[in-house]
Amino acid sequence: RKEVEQDPGPFNVPEGATVAFNCTYSNSASQSFFWYRQDCRKEPKLLMSVYSSGNEDGRFTAQLNRASQYISLLIRDSKLSDSATYLCVVSQYGNKLVFGAGTILRVKS
Amino acid sequence: DAGVTQSPTHLIKTRGQQVTLRCSPKSGHDTVSWYQQALGQGPQFIFQYYEEEERQRGNFPDRFSGHQFPNYSSELNVNALLLGDSALYLCASSGQVSTEAFFGQGTRLTVV
Repeated sequence: RKEVEQDPGPFNVPEGATVAFNCTYSNSASQSFFWYRQDCRKEPKLLMSVYSSGNEDGRFTAQLNRASQYISLLIRDSKLSDSATYLCVVSQYGNKLVFGAGTILRVKS
Repeated sequence: DAGVTQSPTHLIKTRGQQVTLRCSPKSGHDTVSWYQQALGQGPQFIFQYYEEEERQRGNFPDRFSGHQFPNYSSELNVNALLLGDSALYLCASSGQVSTEAFFGQGTRLTVV
């Protein structure tokens, strides 16, 4: 079983749609949680950290449920520029990042 | 302020050869981590260097080795290359004040 599991998609959505991605992690010792965005053939870039209380950054909302070991990302009012691979990431001791395989999002006009 | 820089950007090697990849961390960062990303997969942690020592290691064979220099830059060495080593190799740096990891653009290694 992979340490971080994501639905690979692809999710094909029209502009303006709301889309949600889910992720589960197996290591209960995980301390920090993130969503990264990766464009085709580029490096991953931090989209947002995820906190137990939930947090929002513009059109993006992230949630963490430590009891269920579950992380989510909600994107509202999707833009063409949101098309990318979204990587769910957990961190344990010492900034070692453990990545999921990623969820592909394609936003179409 | 330069971010994380990696060289070379692309590389083609033959099976059995050895390769060295280089990384310069973001200014002010002292910790460097290396990741391997195969096509269609998420990055996989190879190892991490801090104060010129390997601090953590992922599930990679001894063919993968590294080094960190006093200026915090780092090298990743892979010996006896296999076809399966073809991947994007990413370097990430982080600091002690902010633990956010910043990635370089990667080195795309193709083994033929």
